[in-house]
Amino acid sequence: KQEVTQIPAALSVPEGENLVLNCSFTDSAIYNLQWFRQDPGKGLTSLLLIQSSQREQTSGRLNASLDKSSGRSTLYIAASQPGDSATYLCAFRDIGNQFYFGTGTSLTVIP
Amino acid sequence: KAGVTQTPRYLIKTRGQQVTLSCSPISGHRSVSWYQQTPGQGLQFLFEYFSETQRNKGNFPGRFSGRQFSNSRSEMNVSTLELGDSALYLCASRPQKYNEQFFGPGTRLTVL
Repeated sequence: KQEVTQIPAALSVPEGENLVLNCSFTDSAIYNLQWFRQDPGKGLTSLLLIQSSQREQTSGRLNASLDKSSGRSTLYIAASQPGDSATYLCAFRDIGNQFYFGTGTSLTVIP
Repeated sequence: KAGVTQTPRYLIKTRGQQVTLSCSPISGHRSVSWYQQTPGQGLQFLFEYFSETQRNKGNFPGRFSGRQFSNSRSEMNVSTLELGDSALYLCASRPQKYNEQFFGPGTRLTVL
């Protein structure tokens, strides 16, 4: 079974800072990974999708990378803003089409 | 395009009752997945339907069931509700088997 861990569980940074969220997984037989954000009491918003054959994806101030050999993915947020405050979740689809979510990182950006 | 919609948004039930939740996927999306989110267990996969067939099932008891209709809309049913079933139930859709998932706003179920 895939184990997906996100560190840190919570993070508080001042506005404007660049930051990195980490996601690690135990099984390298993944098909793709997806990063989401979730605002309190709301559903999930897809941020980036990386296929297993890719190393990274970028969207605006966000950059996600995937290293299957080390079992890691990172989400880089540049020039953080208060509106980035949310819980960030990584999720993997394995080759058996099962979908596993990480434990999440709660991000607070202080104005 | 309209996003994934879920109804109802909030629901309060008592133990022993049953509940049916509904999910309408994005137009053209044939796959619908259901997830349970709780503070203690996080997000857990319940099941996935593709073209009216259940393709995958998570590790939940048989009290949790679902179905998908020919228009791709899906329903999830929970029978004999327990206090521990209180959670946010999320539905996600995608066009094909291995594409990006898009989530609805969720149904908040409270079991008293």
